[in-house]
Amino acid sequence: ETGVTQTPRHLVMGMTNKKSLKCEQHLGHNAMYWYKQSAKKPLELMFVYSLEERVENNSVPSRFSPECPNSSHLFLHLHTLQPEDSALYLCASSRSVNTEAFFGQGTRLTVV
Amino acid sequence: KNQVEQSPQSLIILEGKNCTLQCNYTVSPFSNLRWYKQDTGRGPVSLTIMTFSENTKSNGRYTATLDADTKQSSLHITASQLSDSASYICVVSRNTGFQKLVFGTGTRLLVSP
Repeated sequence: ETGVTQTPRHLVMGMTNKKSLKCEQHLGHNAMYWYKQSAKKPLELMFVYSLEERVENNSVPSRFSPECPNSSHLFLHLHTLQPEDSALYLCASSRSVNTEAFFGQGTRLTVV
Repeated sequence: KNQVEQSPQSLIILEGKNCTLQCNYTVSPFSNLRWYKQDTGRGPVSLTIMTFSENTKSNGRYTATLDADTKQSSLHITASQLSDSASYICVVSRNTGFQKLVFGTGTRLLVSP
């Protein structure tokens, strides 16, 4: 148990659906991240939040919308996704942006 | 270009045997290098972290080495167990204002009984 909890663990959604992924950390960290992991590819950084403010967006399509209401919670809102968006979505947190990241278990997303 | 390359892509070994995984990187400016273990369908878990001045670091049966001159790292697993079956990911952190982690694609290890 890393102290970072993601829900749901698995999600199947249609291309016209709207869903949200949730991440919660109990470590008192100030930075939180969303990563995408596709088969046979390195992890791709999507968003970085530090003290609830977004500090980096690696040119992610607008169909992915992050929200960070406080330093313990991070959401990823999904709408009109494509089949190629199917992947493992990982949330991570760290004490600050420059320190070691702890990962959640991930949400396995399948877009049909 | 900042890249991390790992070899082999996959590896099968018998339980009890040793193995070594390789990581070569071209990331700069270098901050630190981490090895993560990722079980199938789960998030990565950190095994070791090494800074520029560290040559070797151990965590139980896992020993990581770093040669900052040649930009190479290795992860040695001793007396492998079935539970070692996982992907092992090498991650290099750039020494910039914000943490920028460059991930390798991982080595998938299968320990066979």
